[in-house]
Amino acid sequence: DQQVKQNSPSLSVQEGRISILNCDYTNSMFDYFLWYKKYPAEGPTFLISISSIKDKNEDGRFTVFLNKSAKHLSLHIVPSQPGDSAVYFCAASTASGTYKYIFGTGTRLKVLA
Amino acid sequence: ETGVTQSPTHLIKTRGQQVTLRCSSQSGHNTVSWYQQALGQGPQFIFQYYREEENGRGNFPPRFSGLQFPNYSSELNVNALELDDSALYLCASRPGQGVDEQFFGPGTRLTVL
Repeated sequence: DQQVKQNSPSLSVQEGRISILNCDYTNSMFDYFLWYKKYPAEGPTFLISISSIKDKNEDGRFTVFLNKSAKHLSLHIVPSQPGDSAVYFCAASTASGTYKYIFGTGTRLKVLA
Repeated sequence: ETGVTQSPTHLIKTRGQQVTLRCSSQSGHNTVSWYQQALGQGPQFIFQYYREEENGRGNFPPRFSGLQFPNYSSELNVNALELDDSALYLCASRPGQGVDEQFFGPGTRLTVL
């Protein structure tokens, strides 16, 4: 049972435009969410997180939105840059700082110059 | 500051053999987690070590075991290898259990023939 789903395996976006990566979850106990970026031959790198008491968190070009009623979160990257091309994973847990993160299957983003 | 390192980079084993993977955590990080990432999937949590004790485990059988040493480096041992154990094994460290951001190593690619 896939508790965290990223239904788009890939996404292509023109440089300068907005990239929107989506993530759905099924477990209503999840209340902490993270996004990671992964380049080939490197481990995932933490990007941004959000707890369920918020519906938005922003860090520079990256914004994460959380819709608890829909069990949906999204990562917006504005403006997209070629260096953003990577695989993006969302992850969920039942509490901040816990050990057990459930990851989605990832979305490969390609930003076209 | 040295990041998380893992060895070896790649490894080929045959079914039934045993394997040991190694991880050096980032300086000052006392918490290490191990993940298995199969092809086309997100990382799956195997277990976590905090100050040399296992304090969390995912849905992996007992033939997956680990150790953490006083310098906080860690090993993942897998006995009786199966073909499905072929995956990228990621190690992640963080400075404490209550800290959200994990720093991942580049991973070890294990192939079981």
